[in-house]
Amino acid sequence: QKEVEQNSGPLSVPEGAIASLNCTYSDRVSQSFFWYRQYSGKSPELIMSIYSNGDKEDGRFTAQLNKASQYVSLLIRDSQPSDSATYLCAVIPHQTGANNLFFGTGTRLTVIP
Amino acid sequence: NAGVTQTPKFQVLKTGQSMTLQCAQDMNHNSMYWYRQDPGMGLRLIYYSASEGTTDKGEVPNGYNVSRLNKREFSLRLESAAPSQTSVYFCASSEFTGGASDTQYFGPGTRLTVL
Repeated sequence: QKEVEQNSGPLSVPEGAIASLNCTYSDRVSQSFFWYRQYSGKSPELIMSIYSNGDKEDGRFTAQLNKASQYVSLLIRDSQPSDSATYLCAVIPHQTGANNLFFGTGTRLTVIP
Repeated sequence: NAGVTQTPKFQVLKTGQSMTLQCAQDMNHNSMYWYRQDPGMGLRLIYYSASEGTTDKGEVPNGYNVSRLNKREFSLRLESAAPSQTSVYFCASSEFTGGASDTQYFGPGTRLTVL
């Protein structure tokens, strides 16, 4: 079983809609969770980090964490064509050296104008 | 402030050739990482260096070696390249002071093709 699972998509939403991206993880004691955005041919860039159960909002982005269900999600409100990218979920499991990230395979999002 | 830089950006090798990918960061970060990204596989950790003077294997270390030259620089070496090492390689760095809240910043990547 992979550490981090994501639906690879593609996910298409119309401009202005809410995009919902989901991720599950296998290590029950994982402590840190991240969402990265990666445009085609570019490197990943951090959008959100979340460490506690509940919601964390930053502008149009909201990360949601449910440790009991081992589930983390990213909501993008008022989606824009510039949000079209691959979104990577990443987790720091409990028993690793440094702060090694385990990534999901990513969900490709397309926002249709 | 350039962040994380990588050289070269592109490289084509023949099977059996060797090369070194260079990475440098100017953020005074303690930890540095090498990942490879393949279609359908996501990013996978090859090696990491939690602090200057230390290196450890990640998820897919076979066929690679690393050197943490100083706090700024972390290189990845392919001694005898194989077609299975065709990939995009990303270097990353993070402050890592021991806590869980640690952001990794990525370089622009090196696109390597092994024929």
